[in-house]
Amino acid sequence: EIVMTQSPATLSLSPGERATLSCRASQSVSSNLAWYQQKPGQAPRLLIFGASTRATGIPARFSGSGSGTEFALTISSLQSEDSAVYYCQQYSIWPLTFGGGSKVDIK
Amino acid sequence: QVQLQESGPGLVKPSETLSLTCTVSGGSISTYYWSWIRQPPGKGLEWIAYIFYSGDTNYNPSLQSRVTLSIDTSNNQFSLKLSSVTAADSAVYYCAGAKQWLSFDSWGQGTLVTVSS
Repeated sequence: EIVMTQSPATLSLSPGERATLSCRASQSVSSNLAWYQQKPGQAPRLLIFGASTRATGIPARFSGSGSGTEFALTISSLQSEDSAVYYCQQYSIWPLTFGGGSKVDIK
Repeated sequence: QVQLQESGPGLVKPSETLSLTCTVSGGSISTYYWSWIRQPPGKGLEWIAYIFYSGDTNYNPSLQSRVTLSIDTSNNQFSLKLSSVTAADSAVYYCAGAKQWLSFDSWGQGTLVTVSS
């Protein structure tokens, strides 16, 4: 199976700062990569699919990039409501697999 | 986006079968790709299995021997059965739907299933 590795495990930044989260695949997944945001007690929310396409209703401060094995999620200007755990997921090869998550704390 | 609602017992005894149903509303079950995903408390997400309205399925090899998915298009529901459960199967179970191939834009609220005697 494809192993998805996310870094950093935790990121602590101030409001207005830029956050960059990394996701690495153990083999190429082309652009079949999604990003999710999960807040405590809630289901995950789709942010990005196709590595770089924002899902419906997602603010423009969220952007995705990359292809193949290296991907990034960037939050251009952190808001307090962006405090959450972020997961990447590949849907190129069965079984579907998720990264271990990156937690974003807002100072 | 459609709305999803999981239902089923919150407590299952070890060695028994966990059974959950996801009811889809606000859209047709035939236009999405459906999956079950679970999350042990305090841990990450694990994909369990996929089903399409045609009956096409795919299972996580780590669970394949114990998992069965089914779909009831007339009632807009799909279901999960996980047999021979142990404490390691305790988790929040989510049903999820993808309008774009397997990037999940619709999620149920999740249901906590505890395996305990």
